[in-house]
Amino acid sequence: EDQVTQSPEALRLQEGESSSLNCSYTVSGLRGLFWYRQDPGKGPEFLFTLYSAGEEKEKERLKATLTKKESFLHITAPKPEDSATYLCAVQANDYKLSFGAGTTVTVRA
Amino acid sequence: ETGVTQTPRHLVMGMTNKKSLKCEQHLGHNAMYWYKQSAKKPLELMFVYNFKEQTENNSVPSRFSPECPNSSHLFLHLHTLQPEDSALYLCASSQEADYEQYFGPGTRLTVT
Repeated sequence: EDQVTQSPEALRLQEGESSSLNCSYTVSGLRGLFWYRQDPGKGPEFLFTLYSAGEEKEKERLKATLTKKESFLHITAPKPEDSATYLCAVQANDYKLSFGAGTTVTVRA
Repeated sequence: ETGVTQTPRHLVMGMTNKKSLKCEQHLGHNAMYWYKQSAKKPLELMFVYNFKEQTENNSVPSRFSPECPNSSHLFLHLHTLQPEDSALYLCASSQEADYEQYFGPGTRLTVT
């Protein structure tokens, strides 16, 4: 069975304090790995798709990387508006999408 | 309207009621999805429709009944729900089954 584990569950950062979120996965053939951001009371917002080990994607202060067993979401010099829950999802070769429980990031000014 | 819209945004219903959730996507996508999101738990995929055909039913109880009349609209019909069905119900769409999904704002459902 496909499994996605995100750590830590919660992360409290000072503004400007860079950090990384982890998404480890086991899947029967990886088709793609997705990162989403979810604000309270809203649906998830798509951030990145990664397809193969070694791939990296960047958007503003966020950078996602992928290895054969895990993905990292690096937040560089975060701002309070980066506070959200970040979700990781993996899609197997059968197209099934499995989500992790998320990491809730709080950035204090 | 742009993106994926869902109505109603909030719904309170008794266990004997019948209600429906509506989802509409304005993105020209071919696949649509229903998810359940409960506190502290991963999103649970409920149903998948690809080109209006149901391609996945993730062992969802029959008190949840999906309907996809066309590739832009998706409904979730609810009847005789249980309190444990209270959750945020999210609709999503994607261009094809293996593309990134775009989510609506969700319907917060409370079953009393």
